[in-house]
Amino acid sequence: DTGVSQDPRHKITKRGQNVTFRCDPISEHNRLYWYRQTLGQGPEFLTYFQNEAQLEKSRLLSDRFSAERPKGSFSTLEIQRTEQGDSAMYLCASSPQATGSPDTQYFGPGTRLTVL
Amino acid sequence: KQEVTQIPAALSVPEGENLVLNCSFTDSAIYNLQWFRQDPGKGLTSLLLIQSSQREQTSGRLNASLDKSSGRSTLYIAASQPGDSATYLCAAHSSNTGKLIFGQGTTLQVKP
Repeated sequence: DTGVSQDPRHKITKRGQNVTFRCDPISEHNRLYWYRQTLGQGPEFLTYFQNEAQLEKSRLLSDRFSAERPKGSFSTLEIQRTEQGDSAMYLCASSPQATGSPDTQYFGPGTRLTVL
Repeated sequence: KQEVTQIPAALSVPEGENLVLNCSFTDSAIYNLQWFRQDPGKGLTSLLLIQSSQREQTSGRLNASLDKSSGRSTLYIAASQPGDSATYLCAAHSSNTGKLIFGQGTTLQVKP
């Protein structure tokens, strides 16, 4: 078990460009989450998948953001027409199927996005 | 709407000291509470998860408590070491989807 991985680790882009991030969860973890963290703040929830179904989206996830988990394994987060305010660390987490209460979430190393 | 607050924002202590980090939440109807550690520029490492039916969890020099009625959780670190220097985040599971609501974190510096 290699843990949650994210790619790329760093991304620098110009305003207006599109970017895509990938997350590979721990194998057999059904739940996958995306969070965004800005400097000096705690992470903020963006969206959540149960297998391939996207079950919840934060209002922070504007129309420029889209996330997919097509086969219930890896997930991608795309940001279109990036803005400087999108600069942040994007964190992915996974957890096993909860039989009752939510289970421990395991986080990846994050993708740091800088929009110039 | 659930809000999570951590005080203080930063803490500096000499090596060997015992310390307590505080976390408060506004909605007592939480499922679980999870404590994380984050090193600069890195992802989050889970330290402890306390289920809503539990009052505390222990792992090594760490002990986390949960008081739902007062909306508080504490993380106790015994015999602090320079390697404990990091930002500590608490997060509430406020629904059965597992969505986490995070506090702003407490940045701890342990001086040798």
